[in-house]
Amino acid sequence: DVKVTQSSRYLVKRTGEKVFLECVQDMDHENMFWYRQDPGLGLRLIYFSYDVKMKEKGDIPEGYSVSREKKERFSLILESASTNQTSMYLCASSFQSQPQHFGDGTRLSIL
Amino acid sequence: GENVEQHPSTLSVQEGDSAVIKCTYSDSASNYFPWYKQELGKRPQLIIDIRSNVGEKKDQRIAVTLNKTAKHFSLHITETQPEDSAVYFCAADTGRRALTFGSGTRLQVQP
Repeated sequence: DVKVTQSSRYLVKRTGEKVFLECVQDMDHENMFWYRQDPGLGLRLIYFSYDVKMKEKGDIPEGYSVSREKKERFSLILESASTNQTSMYLCASSFQSQPQHFGDGTRLSIL
Repeated sequence: GENVEQHPSTLSVQEGDSAVIKCTYSDSASNYFPWYKQELGKRPQLIIDIRSNVGEKKDQRIAVTLNKTAKHFSLHITETQPEDSAVYFCAADTGRRALTFGSGTRLQVQP
């Protein structure tokens, strides 16, 4: 069974801090994704990656960056956290064009 | 880019009744349409998906239909049960392997 693990379930940070959200998958998937989920807006794609050191902007990349140094790990970085980045963040992975598998999410609060 | 609209935002049915959730998409290049179920506090889980070369797919009480000409697809749940209560998301993939999600439907099955 595919396992996508996000490092924290809950995280509280302050405005202006640099925040790292980590995601690890154990199925050697080449594709990894970061979404944010907000009520009434569904899941919105922030960034995704097809391979190590590759990244593609999603629909709402502003204020975020990503890092993929190893195939199993995909990090989302908030360079200078702001209150409008308070949200649920979901990581997902997939193999080729197969369905995406999601992690449990990180609920991030920016104070 | 792709835009996916989902209706209704909330749906309440009696146990045993059918439920239908509808989605429309904008990009005719979209070729993969998954449906995810998200129970409270849990990760989204794939429940059924359909590709653009198929018009209908069924899995026990769940079915999905796709009309490429009209650019819409629907989820049908028959003989609903209380455990079907959750938020359901439709999504579309234009071939870039990343998904564009609808805004979600909260389904409540009344016993």
